Amino acid sequence: AQSVTQLGSHVSVSEGALVLLRCNYSSSVPPYLFWYVQYPNQGLQLLLKYTSAATLVKGINGFEAEFKKSETSFHLTKPSAHMSDAAEYFCAVSVGNRLAFGKGNQVVVIP
Amino acid sequence: GAGVSQSPSNKVTEKGKDVELRCDPISGHTALYWYRQSLGQGLEFLIYFQGNSAPDKSGLPSDRFSAERTGGSVSTLTIQRTQQEDSAVYLCASSFSGTGGSRGEQYFGPGTRLTVT
Repeated sequence: AQSVTQLGSHVSVSEGALVLLRCNYSSSVPPYLFWYVQYPNQGLQLLLKYTSAATLVKGINGFEAEFKKSETSFHLTKPSAHMSDAAEYFCAVSVGNRLAFGKGNQVVVIP
Repeated sequence: GAGVSQSPSNKVTEKGKDVELRCDPISGHTALYWYRQSLGQGLEFLIYFQGNSAPDKSGLPSDRFSAERTGGSVSTLTIQRTQQEDSAVYLCASSFSGTGGSRGEQYFGPGTRLTVT
């Protein structure tokens, strides 16, 4: 079954430092992959999506992710963290007519 | 334009009572999804609608859970005889078309936080 794995539930990053959130997928077919962000008491907002058009995907708020088939990965990065990036981030894979989500990463930005 | 809206934003109910959660999708979106978010289980799929039909309701955890969609728009998730383990945030999402599954973007509402006491 298609699924995604996110390790490390809590991630602390200093303001201005690189943000790196890891996502590995399991899929027997070319996957459609997504990163969503959830701010406190809000719904999920799409950051970016991979649909096989390009392996390097740029999203909103300066985030990007690279699809690496050889590593079955779709890690999310941002060169310089801002305080406003503090939120929970979810990787997801399309499974039929639904999304299957990872456990999420709670990002804390340290001033 | 308006996004996905959900009501109520918070609901506290006593164990054994029935609750109804409402979702208003983005106008023109034919596909609608319900998910549940809880500390122990993360984000779980509940049910998918295409128009007024629910071709995939495999995520509903028990027969106490049901959902309907009318007019290809508003959806209601009903939980009968609520239990404490039903406490969670219930998220609704919609997309332009369910065709091709979730390859299209899903737009999420703010959720309904359900607390069963």
